[in-house]
Amino acid sequence: GAVVSQHPSWVICKSGTSVKIECRSLDFQATTMFWYRQFPKQSLMLMATSNEGSKATYEQGVEKDKFLINHASLTLSTLTVTSAHPEDSSFYICSARGGGSSNQPQHFGDGTRLSIL
Amino acid sequence: EDQVTQSPEALRLQEGESSSLNCSYTVSGLRGLFWYRQDPGKGPEFLFTLYSAGEEKEKERLKATLTKKESFLHITAPKPEDSATYLCAVQTGNQFYFGTGTSLTVIP
Repeated sequence: GAVVSQHPSWVICKSGTSVKIECRSLDFQATTMFWYRQFPKQSLMLMATSNEGSKATYEQGVEKDKFLINHASLTLSTLTVTSAHPEDSSFYICSARGGGSSNQPQHFGDGTRLSIL
Repeated sequence: EDQVTQSPEALRLQEGESSSLNCSYTVSGLRGLFWYRQDPGKGPEFLFTLYSAGEEKEKERLKATLTKKESFLHITAPKPEDSATYLCAVQTGNQFYFGTGTSLTVIP
């Protein structure tokens, strides 16, 4: 149980393109979803937290107009990197947490490797 | 300041050589401590949740323990397939704090 699917797993695109990444909870309802960025050999850097039906809460330093997050249903959240540039190249990982007890673990997708040329 | 520190940063073990990874935390109001395993190019895989001091959880060769200041992940008789980065995370309120991980390599 607690499977999170992230798509695509790898994307390469030209500078200036917008890229959408999907995160789905397959067998549970995710009241909260998280988006992280991870640089090589570093830990996870939280970008934003989103609750279903609400606006995402962005961490300090993360541009909300550049990284658009939508959490329209209890099983789907999307991250859109708008007008991507080479410095946006990174490994993006989503996670989801179910409802019920408020101290449940996050379950992670397998990440999206984004390369901007 | 809430903080999570993992040690060592990297650990090389011979197959069968047991050891422990450490996760030290300074947070107010611990709601849960979580251990994850992350393989290269993959997202973290959930292993354990610990909620209160004295609690222990086991899964195959892994055993996690928790005190008021730290958690240990004990690996008994590791195998090469246990090689991965192990992350711990602490929840306080609705905030999660991740450590930087321990990269474990088990040599056949």
